[in-house]
Amino acid sequence: EAQVTQNPRYLITVTGKKLTVTCSQNMNHEYMSWYRQDPGLGLRQIYYSMNVEVTDKGDVPEGYKVSRKEKRNFPLILESPSPNQTSLYFCASRTGTPRGYNEQFFGPGTRLTVL
Amino acid sequence: EDQVTQSPEALRLQEGESSSLNCSYTVSGLRGLFWYRQDPGKGPEFLFTLYSAGEEKEKERLKATLTKKESFLHITAPKPEDSATYLCASLSYNNNDMRFGAGTRLTVKP
Repeated sequence: EAQVTQNPRYLITVTGKKLTVTCSQNMNHEYMSWYRQDPGLGLRQIYYSMNVEVTDKGDVPEGYKVSRKEKRNFPLILESPSPNQTSLYFCASRTGTPRGYNEQFFGPGTRLTVL
Repeated sequence: EDQVTQSPEALRLQEGESSSLNCSYTVSGLRGLFWYRQDPGKGPEFLFTLYSAGEEKEKERLKATLTKKESFLHITAPKPEDSATYLCASLSYNNNDMRFGAGTRLTVKP
């Protein structure tokens, strides 16, 4: 089954404690991205990756890091989380073709609370 | 800056009561306008892509239309299982990023 998986699904942590949210896809997609979703603001892109070792900033990259060492994995790293990073996070993947946007798959989401 | 605004924020309908959701966009060089459905606790699920004004797409009880400034998602004779949040997003030729609206939360009562 084609899918994007994220772990953990729920996380409560404290300010400053480094954390990683993993994302993995089994569709051999080139393009992967991270979004955060906040009430009234919609989905906003944090970082994206067009392929292995190729990453770039989205709209709201401050306080986040990513890496893309393997095609299937795209972890999101918060080195020193702060309460304003409390949000619902989604990983997404698609092919790199122009029509790939029509087949963008989203993961189930990670609800992060930073105290 | 590209912007997408959805209205209303929330909509409650009786089963069978048809209605429309609105998505207004300001995008320089629209490459595509997307509609997604999002169920509670899940990621968005792709519904439609519209590429040019006048285009329409249908799927079961849903029909999406596009003008030069707006897109509408028409829901005909909705059922309770249509209850979800509906998101629209624009994509321009100027960047790689889809711009999402905040969504419309639809509740259909039996």
